[in-house]
Amino acid sequence: QKEVEQNSGPLSVPEGAIASLNCTYSDRGSQSFFWYRQYSGKSPELIMFIYSNGDKEDGRFTAQLNKASQYVSLLIRDSQPSDSATYLCAVRRSNYQLIWGAGTKLIIKP
Amino acid sequence: GAVVSQHPSWVICKSGTSVKIECRSLDFQATTMFWYRQFPKQSLMLMATSNEGSKATYEQGVEKDKFLINHASLTLSTLTVTSAHPEDSSFYICSAKLGTGVYSNQPQHFGDGTRLSIL
Repeated sequence: QKEVEQNSGPLSVPEGAIASLNCTYSDRGSQSFFWYRQYSGKSPELIMFIYSNGDKEDGRFTAQLNKASQYVSLLIRDSQPSDSATYLCAVRRSNYQLIWGAGTKLIIKP
Repeated sequence: GAVVSQHPSWVICKSGTSVKIECRSLDFQATTMFWYRQFPKQSLMLMATSNEGSKATYEQGVEKDKFLINHASLTLSTLTVTSAHPEDSSFYICSAKLGTGVYSNQPQHFGDGTRLSIL
């Protein structure tokens, strides 16, 4: 079992709909959770980070953390074609090591 | 804020050449920087953690004599790929983190990456 798991996709979502990206992790003591977006051929770009259980909203993006179930998700409302990218989940473990998921490829169809 | 600059963006050179890549934090001081490598359609692979004023910590399987890292100031880390060969061709990306040291919970901010092609 990988320490941080993401469905590789591709996840295809119609323009204007909500895209839901999920990430599960194995270290129950993990403290910090990050979502990055990576366009093809580019470096990752920080979208959001979340430390506490519950929801955190920033514009069209909402991160949701459930430590009891060991998952973190990213919701993108009103999806746009420009949101098409690979979304990387990163989890900072209890030993402060940052573990990366392999990423989910998201395709927003016009 | 939290801008990380990486140079050069592209390098094409002959086999056997050594290549230096610079990573700068422009608007903050970074005691810790990270170097990643990414092959096409693969996930990020951490190569090493660069600590200002001390030796870098390399991940298992990464040759420290092949990939020399220097972090001489709070805003600059360099990665030198020594005697590069075609198998070293990859996308190299640096990142830096706000806060002090590896124990900070702050996110990493990435440079634009360096695409290295060895002929």
